[in-house]
Amino acid sequence: SQKIEQNSEALNIQEGKTATLTCNYTNYSPAYLQWYRQDPGRGPVFLLLIRENEKEKRKERLKVTFDTTLKQSLFHITASQPADSATYLCALDPLDSNYQLIWGAGTKLIIKP
Amino acid sequence: NAGVTQTPKFQVLKTGQSMTLQCAQDMNHEYMSWYRQDPGMGLRLIHYSVGAGITDQGEVPNGYNVSRSTTEDFPLRLLSAAPSQTSVYFCASSYAGPQRGAYEQYFGPGTRLTVT
Repeated sequence: SQKIEQNSEALNIQEGKTATLTCNYTNYSPAYLQWYRQDPGRGPVFLLLIRENEKEKRKERLKVTFDTTLKQSLFHITASQPADSATYLCALDPLDSNYQLIWGAGTKLIIKP
Repeated sequence: NAGVTQTPKFQVLKTGQSMTLQCAQDMNHEYMSWYRQDPGMGLRLIHYSVGAGITDQGEVPNGYNVSRSTTEDFPLRLLSAAPSQTSVYFCASSYAGPQRGAYEQYFGPGTRLTVT
């Protein structure tokens, strides 16, 4: 079946280190992949978008990679801070979806001071 | 600029009751959508609209109706609430285009619905 997988276990990282989150997908050939941040009790907030022909995208301390051969995207937060603690969601556009994005369940990131 | 607003924030219904979740956006976005979010699962699309007067079903449309009479508003109606509809509901909007993934989605704060 077609699906997106994100690590369901919370990721605990020491403040100042780099946090790396994974988004794996099967049976899709997405043109785009997006990453969002979601805080408890709030709606997701867009962070970054990467296209299939882009290997890497950066925004301040954030970096996203997209490997269409491995069918994987990695999301990195460098110099992590406790304020980065949240759940991070990935979503992709599988081209044949007719306006539907497919979403992962998210990974909870905890940055410890 | 309020972005995407949703009301109510919390709601408790009894099985069989009906209600409407309100969603409005002030960004002149053509595309609007409703998702439900359940623990351990990704956001699942209920219904979406690519413009006033145009709506279509998403992945999990059963038990829900929508209409889009204006660009700004996109209400979601629960016809006869069931415990399986207990969830957090998010409304989202974005620019419309042939590829959804090319556009940032703007989400509302969500409505937490409990059906007893």
